[in-house]
Amino acid sequence: QVQLVQSGAEVKKPGSSVRVSCRTSGGSFSTDTISWVRQAPGQGLEWMGRVIPLLRRAQYAQEFQDRVTITADEYTRTAYMELSSLRSDDTAIYFCARHHYCGADCYDALDTWGQGTVVNVSS
Amino acid sequence: SYELTQAPSVSVSPGQTARITCSGDPLPNQYAFWYQQKPGQAPVLVIYKDSKRPSGIPERFSGSSSGTTVTLTISGVQAEDEADYFCQSADNSGYVFGTGTKVTVL
Repeated sequence: QVQLVQSGAEVKKPGSSVRVSCRTSGGSFSTDTISWVRQAPGQGLEWMGRVIPLLRRAQYAQEFQDRVTITADEYTRTAYMELSSLRSDDTAIYFCARHHYCGADCYDALDTWGQGTVVNVSS
Repeated sequence: SYELTQAPSVSVSPGQTARITCSGDPLPNQYAFWYQQKPGQAPVLVIYKDSKRPSGIPERFSGSSSGTTVTLTISGVQAEDEADYFCQSADNSGYVFGTGTKVTVL
């Protein structure tokens, strides 16, 4: 049974950066894809991007392309999402989620989710 | 990118059937997935590839697809089904989530 455990809550100033981690257990990290999804207070889900460890490749949603970096460390089975130039409207819960690798252009159902990390951006 | 449109809310009495629709132009050519999210919790996958149910998801959850609309049906709704439901699909630019539907059990 794959489990995803995320790092703890963060409070950041506008203009700074935040890095959230997502450690996996069970399954095979190298053949997973790890996506990052965020949810602003009272709002819906928004996909930010994903990393494919097998290909050492990340893909980003256009809206976040200039500010987000998603990486993976196969040795620690941990994925990271770094968001820069933070604004107040980046205040949200950030989730990681996975599916088994099915091809470089394959987007399958996200069958396992982390518990979420609250990021609060405030001056 | 494109949009997936859902009705904001659906109300249903216990034991009745709830139908949650999701509309979007790419849906005839792309699979849809459905997630249930309860307050303060992470989303949970309830339907994948339009109509398949993951293990552990009750049989009262089912999915269907017709043209540009996919539907999540909850038959014999129970109080524990009260939650937000999001559809999701993808194209070669990535995932898109629907706007979400809040299901209220009266």
